[in-house]
Amino acid sequence: AQTVTQSQPEMSVQEAETVTLSCTYDTSENNYYLFWYKQPPSRQMILVIRQEAYKQQNATENRFSVNFQKAAKSFSLKISDSQLGDTAMYFCAFMKHEGYSTLTFGKGTMLLVSP
Amino acid sequence: GAGVSQSPRYKVTKRGQDVALRCDPISGHVSLYWYRQALGQGPEFLTYFNYEAQQDKSGLPNDRFSAERPEGSISTLTIQRTEQRDSAMYRCASSSGGVLLEQFFGPGTRLTVL
Repeated sequence: AQTVTQSQPEMSVQEAETVTLSCTYDTSENNYYLFWYKQPPSRQMILVIRQEAYKQQNATENRFSVNFQKAAKSFSLKISDSQLGDTAMYFCAFMKHEGYSTLTFGKGTMLLVSP
Repeated sequence: GAGVSQSPRYKVTKRGQDVALRCDPISGHVSLYWYRQALGQGPEFLTYFNYEAQQDKSGLPNDRFSAERPEGSISTLTIQRTEQRDSAMYRCASSSGGVLLEQFFGPGTRLTVL
């Protein structure tokens, strides 16, 4: 079974600054995907970024980037130039590379961006 | 529709009553997942459908929970004889089943059992 750990229940950052959210996971799989989802106050689940484990290059989506360390089983999310609209719960999630696979989520990190 | 829809968005029921939660996936998506999210937690897997076939129900907590997707599109999650511990957000997600494997989530149904 896979486990995902987010050790930071809450984080705060000021607008325009950079913040990094941590995520570690445990698996015996070699091929898998990792995701960061955002859940704003509206409680929608929005995909922020994804990483394929077989790719060494870290994924980037505009202001969002990841630091994927496969050997250390670490997958952190960096948000640059933080905006008020980034305030949300952020979930790290793991998915095996199979024909179908369920998502295993961490408990989340609440990020508050202040003016 | 453009996205995954769920109904009702909010459901308040009394302990012992049955509830049915509906999920309408993105048109053409063959894979459909149900998750449950307790307050302050991440979503947890309940069950998975590929077309109309329920291929994994390992996450259903007990036999009061059941799900169906009879025509391979709309799905219903039914909870019989609800208990207070069933109170949670119930989320549906769908996927095209292709190589991207991305799951698109619906807005969820907030279930409160009194």
